[in-house]
Amino acid sequence: GQQLNQSPQSMFIQEGEDVSMNCTSSSIFNTWLWYKQDPGEGPVLLIALYKAGELTSNGRLTAQFGITRKDSFLNISASIPSDVGIYFCAGPTIIQGAQKLVFGQGTRLTINP
Amino acid sequence: EPEVTQTPSHQVTQMGQEVILRCVPISNHLYFYWYRQILGQKVEFLVSFYNNEISEKSEIFDDQFSVERPDGSNFTLKIRSTKLEDSAMYFCASSYGEETQYFGPGTRLLVL
Repeated sequence: GQQLNQSPQSMFIQEGEDVSMNCTSSSIFNTWLWYKQDPGEGPVLLIALYKAGELTSNGRLTAQFGITRKDSFLNISASIPSDVGIYFCAGPTIIQGAQKLVFGQGTRLTINP
Repeated sequence: EPEVTQTPSHQVTQMGQEVILRCVPISNHLYFYWYRQILGQKVEFLVSFYNNEISEKSEIFDDQFSVERPDGSNFTLKIRSTKLEDSAMYFCASSYGEETQYFGPGTRLLVL
């Protein structure tokens, strides 16, 4: 089946640093989603990408959908303590009009103040 | 802002017992989903539900699992006879259509 591979698996950075994480797929996705999960909470949608090559920002977050539609990156600029959490990329497959999301294994971000 | 809610937040049960996890999706959404996340692992799709029937299910969603939309607001996941390996966070999600899914806060299920 379709798989998403995220790298790195974990990051330890200083507050204020920029962060970059990556997600690659074994197959093409038409939409790419980035979610953040805080401990004990559900995934919260950060950015949705719909077009190959698309670059989208949401505050300090920037994500790009790769031209081949098999990869995406997420950047966080000037990290702050509340950025701590697990970041998941996800791609939907459409079955009878409903999305089935395939998730990557996540990148765990830890920030030292 | 509308959100998906789930109850209970935590559930502890004995192996072999039945559990029902409850979700209230966003009110105008038409598609409903359950996902599972075993501790430390990625989120995995279980089942999608539309127009009062299952539209897709994963190999995890075996005969021990069932879903129901008993009324206009609730969406439930039932595990008939829980096993130790069913211990996980269970997330409900909903979407209006072929659009992004919104997740609830999850129910942490612990099977002893």
